[in-house]
Amino acid sequence: DIQMTQSPSSVSASVGDRVTISCRASQDISRWLAWYQQKPGKAPNLLIYAATGLRDGVPSRFSGSGSGTDFTLTISSLQPEDFATYYCQQASSFPPSFGGGTKVDIK
Amino acid sequence: QVQLVQSGPEVKSPGASVKVSCKASGYTFSSSGVTWVRQAPGQGPEWMGWISAYEGNTNYAQKFQSRVTMTTDTSTSTAYMEMRSLKSDDTAVYYCARGKEWNYAFDIWGQGTMVTVSS
Repeated sequence: DIQMTQSPSSVSASVGDRVTISCRASQDISRWLAWYQQKPGKAPNLLIYAATGLRDGVPSRFSGSGSGTDFTLTISSLQPEDFATYYCQQASSFPPSFGGGTKVDIK
Repeated sequence: QVQLVQSGPEVKSPGASVKVSCKASGYTFSSSGVTWVRQAPGQGPEWMGWISAYEGNTNYAQKFQSRVTMTTDTSTSTAYMEMRSLKSDDTAVYYCARGKEWNYAFDIWGQGTMVTVSS
């Protein structure tokens, strides 16, 4: 099975900061990567699909990049509603698998 | 609007079974599939399996292959996930999510169903 490793596991940031979250796959997954945002007590919410595709309705301050084994989720200017946990998920190889998550909290 | 609504919380004893439902609305249920994901307290999500709502074929993670059955009822636009021989470490929130195939991103999620396994 493919292992997904996220870093950092947590980050403290202020409103307006640029935040970058990394995700590394244990083998080449091409661009078969999605990013989800999850707030406490809620289901995950899809932000990015196919590594760089911004889902309709997701603010443009969110962007995804990367291919192969290394991927990045960037929030260009952190907003109060962005404080949450973010997960990457690969869909290149069965079974799909998630990273361990990155918690973005208030500095 | 497009949504998935799941059944309510469950408390089960070890060794028992649980069946969670997931009712779809706002889209053509049979045109897509349903993935099941679980999340233990304080942990990341764990993919369990996927079922096609139009063909009924399934793909299960090996870990759940022997204990989980996923089904759909297209007449009521409802998906079901049954887990048998429950153990304490099956305590988690169970989510259904829409995905056209097992390897598609999951764009619509249910609200989650808390399953607690305790003696």
